[in-house]
Amino acid sequence: AQSVSQHNHHVILSEAASLELGCNYSYGGTVNLFWYVQYPGQHLQLLLKYFSGDPLVKGIKGFEAEFIKSKFSFNLRKPSVQWSDTAEYFCAVNWGSGTYKYIFGTGTRLKVLA
Amino acid sequence: SQTIHQWPATLVQPVGSPLSLECTVEGTSNPNLYWYRQAAGRGLQLLFYSVGIGQISSEVPQNLSASRPQDRQFILSSKKLLLSDSGFYLCAWGEDTRFGYTFGSGTRLTVV
Repeated sequence: AQSVSQHNHHVILSEAASLELGCNYSYGGTVNLFWYVQYPGQHLQLLLKYFSGDPLVKGIKGFEAEFIKSKFSFNLRKPSVQWSDTAEYFCAVNWGSGTYKYIFGTGTRLKVLA
Repeated sequence: SQTIHQWPATLVQPVGSPLSLECTVEGTSNPNLYWYRQAAGRGLQLLFYSVGIGQISSEVPQNLSASRPQDRQFILSSKKLLLSDSGFYLCAWGEDTRFGYTFGSGTRLTVV
């Protein structure tokens, strides 16, 4: 069955620390990959996406993610986090070729200490 | 520009009562529409999706149903709510699966 794993459920960092959140999906084929973010009290919003081309994609607010096909991974990174990055982060995968649904990971709660 | 509306924002309903949550999208035609339930520590669970009027795909057997009576309207329903139906329900829309969804603001449902 299709599944998406986010192994870090809670992460606490100090400001200026580097961030990497893991995301792995169950099997290959054509995939469209996403990271969403939910700031406290706000809607889920798209942070970045990958569907083709350069496997290193850049999103909003200095975030980037790297698609490594051989590892079925799409890890999210940021070189230097800020207090305002405190949020919950969700990885999502759509297995293309005519499928419409996205499968989400369980999310990672990030807390950045000022 | 496209917008998505979801209501109500919060709802408290007794066990055994019916449910109707509505989601509408403006500024686009024939969107793909989705209902998710978000639970703490469990991420987002896909409940239903629809790629056209009257076309509903159910992902999880449960006490809920969905309907799409109009192109940009997606309704989540239940005939008799259970305590386990409590949760945060999110509607989302998308046009092309490569580009991601736009989510609504969600409905916090508490069944008492």
